[in-house]
Amino acid sequence: ETGVTQSPTHLIKTRGQQVTLRCSSQSGHNTVSWYQQALGQGPQFIFQYYREEENGRGNFPPRFSGLQFPNYSSELNVNALELDDSALYLCASSRGLAGDERRTRTQYFGPGTRLLVL
Amino acid sequence: GESVGLHLPTLSVQEGDNSIINCAYSNSASDYFIWYKQESGKGPQFIIDIRSNMDKRQGQRVTVLLNKTVKHLSLQIAATQPGDSAVYFCAERPRYSSASKIIFGSGTRLSIRP
Repeated sequence: ETGVTQSPTHLIKTRGQQVTLRCSSQSGHNTVSWYQQALGQGPQFIFQYYREEENGRGNFPPRFSGLQFPNYSSELNVNALELDDSALYLCASSRGLAGDERRTRTQYFGPGTRLLVL
Repeated sequence: GESVGLHLPTLSVQEGDNSIINCAYSNSASDYFIWYKQESGKGPQFIIDIRSNMDKRQGQRVTVLLNKTVKHLSLQIAATQPGDSAVYFCAERPRYSSASKIIFGSGTRLSIRP
C-alpha cells in the first residue's frame, strides 16, 4: 500500500451535475497530482498542486479545478459533468526534489475513484 | 507531439519464464522514465524508474533498460509468477515541464500461462 487514500471509491452522477473527489497524500509528501484514466487507456495528467498552488496543468478544460490544503490533502472538482467524464480518477502524491521542490521524483498512486456519468 | 507507445498490447508468458515488455517514446526531452503495474481495480503501482543519464537499472526480479539512441524502454521480469499478471505502463516525464507531469502509454497486458 502506498499510503495514498481517495474517497469515495465509486460515484454515479448525471450530466450537468458537479462532483468533488478527495485525496489524502502519503506522509511527508507535499505534492499531489490528479490523473484521469478512461477504460482501457493509460492515465492522463489533469493538474498538479504544490504547496496549495496549481503547478502545471494538462489538456483539460477549466471546469476541472482543484484545491490543496495546508495538510497537503487535495480535492478535484468537476463542474457541468459530461458523459465522457466517466473514468477512474487517480491521485498521486510525491515529494519535491532538493533544490527544486516543484520537480518531484516518484509518484505514488491511490486506488482511484471510479466516476460514472449517466 | 508527446507520446509514449508500446509495441505489443498483450503479452502471454509461461510461468517461470522471463517477460520482456517494450515501450517506445517520442519525446527526446524526457529525463525520467518509470514503469508502473496496475492490477484490476487498483491504482498504478510503482515498479522501477530510471533517469536519462543511466541505461540500466535493476530491482528485485525486474530490470529496466533505456536506449536513448532509439528512444526505447524495456522492462524485464525474471521468473514470471502468477502475481505478475497485470497491465504494465511505461511513463515519461518531460524535462521542460515545471510540474512532474507524467505521460503514460496505453499499457501492455501481461498474462501468465500455468
